[in-house]
Amino acid sequence: DAKTTQPNSMESNEEEPVHLPCNHSTISGTDYIHWYRQLPSQGPEYVIHGLTSNVNNRMASLAIAEDRKSSTLILHRATLRDAAVYYCIYTGNTPLVFGKGTRLSVIA
Amino acid sequence: DARVTQTPRHKVTEMGQEVTMRCQPILGHNTVFWYRQTMMQGLELLAYFRNRAPLDDSGMPKDRFSAEMPDATLATLKIQPSEPRDSAVYFCASGSPGGLSSYNSPLHFGNGTRLTVT
Repeated sequence: DAKTTQPNSMESNEEEPVHLPCNHSTISGTDYIHWYRQLPSQGPEYVIHGLTSNVNNRMASLAIAEDRKSSTLILHRATLRDAAVYYCIYTGNTPLVFGKGTRLSVIA
Repeated sequence: DARVTQTPRHKVTEMGQEVTMRCQPILGHNTVFWYRQTMMQGLELLAYFRNRAPLDDSGMPKDRFSAEMPDATLATLKIQPSEPRDSAVYFCASGSPGGLSSYNSPLHFGNGTRLTVT
C-alpha cells in the first residue's frame, strides 16, 4: 500500500491561508499525488491532483516539492465550510488507498 | 452537478439478515469502487469494477459479501448473513469518464449507506 505521512490535526483561523503538508518519500516517478477531503456525514470529495508541476483549481493549490517526496495543499482563505479531514494519497496504477488524513479545524 | 447516488442512506437490521446496498454511478463513468469506513479502520477498499467487470474484490470477506454490476447504471453490494462487525458506512465511488485512467482521474463519491447490524 502506498503510504503518506500527514499531521493528525491542524487548526486555522477563518479567512487565513492554510498549508496542509504531506510526506510521500516512497513515491515513484509515475505516481500522481491526489488530495481528497471529507466533510462531516459526507463521502470523500476530490480536491486536486498533480504529477510534478504545481496545480491550481477553484478549490485549492497543490505545491509539489522538486524531489516529489512531499507536497502541500494550500487553501487560500479558510472558511468554516473547509473544516474536514484532508487525505493525501499517491497512486500510479492502483486504486486510491486512504490513510487517516489531517483533521482541519477552522476557528471563526 | 452529476452525483453518485446511494440507497438506502441508513439501514438498521438484525444479525443474520441479508442487506443490499445500491449505487448509481455517474453516467459515462466506467469504473466503480466500493469502500467501507469505520472509526477503527478508516476507509477500506472492498471491491472495484471496470466496464462492469470485477477487477478486484480481495478487500471483501468472500463468505458473506458479494458485489455485482447488473448494468452500467447499477452496482450492488450484498451482505448475507450480516453480522454486528459489518456496521459501518459503505461508500460507492465512480470515475474514469470516457475511459480515462482509472486511477488518475478524480473519483466521485456518494454520501454512503450507514449500516447498523444489531
